Amino acid sequence: QVHLQESGPGLVKPSETLSLSCFVSDDSISSYYWSWIRQPPGKGLEWIGYISYSGSTNYNPSLKSRVTISLDTSKNQYSLRLSSVSAADTAVYYCAREGIRGSTYYFDYWGQGTLVTVSS
Amino acid sequence: DIQMTQSPSSLSASVGDRVTITCRASQSISFYLNWYQQKPGKAPKLLIYAASSLQSGVPSRFSGSGSGTDFTLTISSLQPEDFATYYCQQSYSIPKTFGQGTNLEIK
Repeated sequence: QVHLQESGPGLVKPSETLSLSCFVSDDSISSYYWSWIRQPPGKGLEWIGYISYSGSTNYNPSLKSRVTISLDTSKNQYSLRLSSVSAADTAVYYCAREGIRGSTYYFDYWGQGTLVTVSS
Repeated sequence: DIQMTQSPSSLSASVGDRVTITCRASQSISFYLNWYQQKPGKAPKLLIYAASSLQSGVPSRFSGSGSGTDFTLTISSLQPEDFATYYCQQSYSIPKTFGQGTNLEIK
């Protein structure tokens, strides 16, 4: 049973960069795809992007110009950077593993989520 | 982007009821459709993947069906712990997108 744990500042100022990390409890970080997903308070889920075990990335076009996801397998963690944040980026941020069965992908393990508030 | 539309947005039901939630994709996504359950203050939990495959450990009262653009999640006999918000999600193309959610409340 893999566990994921997000960490990072809970408060970020407007126009600054949001930085979060996700620690993965086992070596599966070297075998799967790893996503960030966010949820504004009281709203639905938005996929931000993923990084593969090999380091390739794919981002939501709506955020692509501001997002960077990186991987550090030696530390069993991956990270999210979101630049030029505004109040619209206030959300609970989840890290999640993307499981695979055949050709289908699904988010099978999630972190508990961390609330990031953008405010001066 | 593929838009995912769930109906209803909210639903009131009683313990023991049979409940069906519908998810419609804006274009065909084959069987690349997943269902999640989310309780307040918690991360979503995977229930169904590939439209109809039950995730390990999920009770058999949950089932999924559909392909192409129309999908359903059925709970055969509601239990008290099933009152939550349910989301569908397509994994057919990037960006991966979710439905807006269906809030299942106790009647």
